[in-house]
Amino acid sequence: DTGVSQDPRHKITKRGQNVTFRCDPISEHNRLYWYRQTLGQGPEFLTYFQNEAQLEKSRLLSDRFSAERPKGSFSTLEIQRTEQGDSAMYLCASSLNTRGSGTQYFGPGTRLTVL
Amino acid sequence: ELKVEQNPLFLSMQEGKNYTIYCNYSTTSDRLYWYRQDPGKSLESLFVLLSNGAVKQEGRLMASLDTKARLSTLHITAAVHDLSATYFCAVDTGRGSTLGRLYFGRGTQLTVWP
Repeated sequence: DTGVSQDPRHKITKRGQNVTFRCDPISEHNRLYWYRQTLGQGPEFLTYFQNEAQLEKSRLLSDRFSAERPKGSFSTLEIQRTEQGDSAMYLCASSLNTRGSGTQYFGPGTRLTVL
Repeated sequence: ELKVEQNPLFLSMQEGKNYTIYCNYSTTSDRLYWYRQDPGKSLESLFVLLSNGAVKQEGRLMASLDTKARLSTLHITAAVHDLSATYFCAVDTGRGSTLGRLYFGRGTQLTVWP
């Protein structure tokens, strides 16, 4: 168990550029989640997948945001035409969908700064 | 939409003292999580509480859940500096296969001083 990994850890971009983040979940976990966290706030849900199916998207996820999880393994989150308001920490988490604890394990995050 | 409120948001306490952090939520849930976050780091799972009356303890931290009151507490006993961090509670209101989306509180920033 190597934990959830995210790449890159930091991204600085100019307003209007596109960015893509990658998340690799814990290997046997079938659920993968994306959250966004701004300073002084708790994480806010963006979207989640069970295997390759995207099951829910938050209203926070505007049409500039898209997420994929091809083949039910790693996931990517793309933000098109970035805005300064997109600056945040983007967190990925994974869990095993059972009737057990369902604990979500978080990765180290990708910190996005839009100039 | 579900609201999760934590209080206090900021807590400064002396080593050796006891204190309780409260987490209230606005709709039915029987699944609540506590996480810890150190500055600049990601979230570390502390406890999962799965039923009314559940109590979990790890070291100087003890968490409990009252689903009827929609309240969870995180009690700190004899605080030490290493407990300084931000603590989040998170609620999952799903049932069965809809479990998954977490609603987080704003966090309680704990500072323990000598």
